[in-house]
Amino acid sequence: GNSVTQMEGPVTLSEEAFLTINCTYTATGYPSLFWYVQYPGEGLQLLLKATKADDKGSNKGFEATYRKETTSFHLEKGSVQVSDSAVYFCALSGGGAQKLVFGQGTRLTINP
Amino acid sequence: GAVVSQHPSWVICKSGTSVKIECRSLDFQATTMFWYRQFPKQSLMLMATSNEGSKATYEQGVEKDKFLINHASLTLSTLTVTSAHPEDSSFYICSAWLAAYNEQFFGPGTRLTVL
Repeated sequence: GNSVTQMEGPVTLSEEAFLTINCTYTATGYPSLFWYVQYPGEGLQLLLKATKADDKGSNKGFEATYRKETTSFHLEKGSVQVSDSAVYFCALSGGGAQKLVFGQGTRLTINP
Repeated sequence: GAVVSQHPSWVICKSGTSVKIECRSLDFQATTMFWYRQFPKQSLMLMATSNEGSKATYEQGVEKDKFLINHASLTLSTLTVTSAHPEDSSFYICSAWLAAYNEQFFGPGTRLTVL
């Protein structure tokens, strides 16, 4: 079945550092890929998505590229801020279904 | 934006009792809602897909008689944990599908503790 593997956390960085959170997937067919963010005390919010190979999703300075050859969708940001502290989830949705399969989540803490 | 609420945000109950959790789409109609369960420091696991006016579709391994789902209107789905036991303690999250956005919008979650 479909699955998503995320980089183990927690991740702690200093403000303005470069961020990468790795995400790889296993899926049949051509899934859509997502990054969700969960801020403390809030529900999950869609951060960005990509629906086909080589698509790049971007939002709030974050970006991720759908790499079919490496089955990856790594999240990157060039300069993180304290306000980026949250839990980040990689997810996929495949086969036309709306169902999401999530990675285990990565807790990110940014120190000033 | 599309807002989904859950009620209650947390609940503590005694073993053997039943608990109902509500999931509401506040500013849109959702024919499809989803219920997830999240264990500490673990991922979200889809429990079931809730379709308005029809029976829910449960994922493999989820007991449908224990986790009753009712999607009686286009803005409300409920999850009832029947005869709760301590192992049912978890964080339950719902989402609602908004077709116009092709996106799920998530509620803030409900923390259930069974004593």
